[in-house]
Amino acid sequence: KAGVTQTPRYLIKTRGQQVTLSCSPISGHRSVSWYQQTPGQGLQFLFEYFSETQRNKGNFPGRFSGRQFSNSRSEMNVSTLELGDSALYLCASSFDGGNQPQHFGDGTRLSIL
Amino acid sequence: QQQVKQSPQSLIVQKGGISIINCAYENTAFDYFPWYQQFPGKGPALLIAIRPDVSEKKEGRFTISFNKSAKQFSLHIMDSQPGDSATYFCAASIGAGTALIFGKGTTLSVSS
Repeated sequence: KAGVTQTPRYLIKTRGQQVTLSCSPISGHRSVSWYQQTPGQGLQFLFEYFSETQRNKGNFPGRFSGRQFSNSRSEMNVSTLELGDSALYLCASSFDGGNQPQHFGDGTRLSIL
Repeated sequence: QQQVKQSPQSLIVQKGGISIINCAYENTAFDYFPWYQQFPGKGPALLIAIRPDVSEKKEGRFTISFNKSAKQFSLHIMDSQPGDSATYFCAASIGAGTALIFGKGTTLSVSS
């Protein structure tokens, strides 16, 4: 069974631009969560989607948004990029977002110049 | 109250030794406690997880010990191998599939 797939693996943007990251969950998984990983703050929860609805949201500004499609694939968008948005963005999927564990992709490394 | 505190920040263990990483939490609503292993350039991989109704869970060389009254849990890696050298994260959540609150991570180096 294929794992969680994230594209692209690497991105370089400049301040003020916007970016869209993509995540394809494990086949059959309906819950997708996004996390930000930085050396200073560690791994932080951004939001979770289930059946195309945002079900849970972390403490990030509104510049961070996401969506989920009917095939459970998810996208995350960051607008008006800031230097501090440089991070590894990780997507995790789980079967139902309830009591089934989350499995992570290898992330998208976003660098802001 | 949402924090998970992890220690030590880094750990050096000889091959064949026991690696021990500790975590503490405050929120008693947490009911799922996983450990993830992350290698450079890779995403975190689920190692082992425990729920508060169990005091210990073992999978191969990896054991989680859970102390509900102290609100602490730990990962023991028996017979540590160089291939175990990685960063380990503890986490906690309310339900396995919901927002995971992660510790800051422990970088383990196993010397041969």
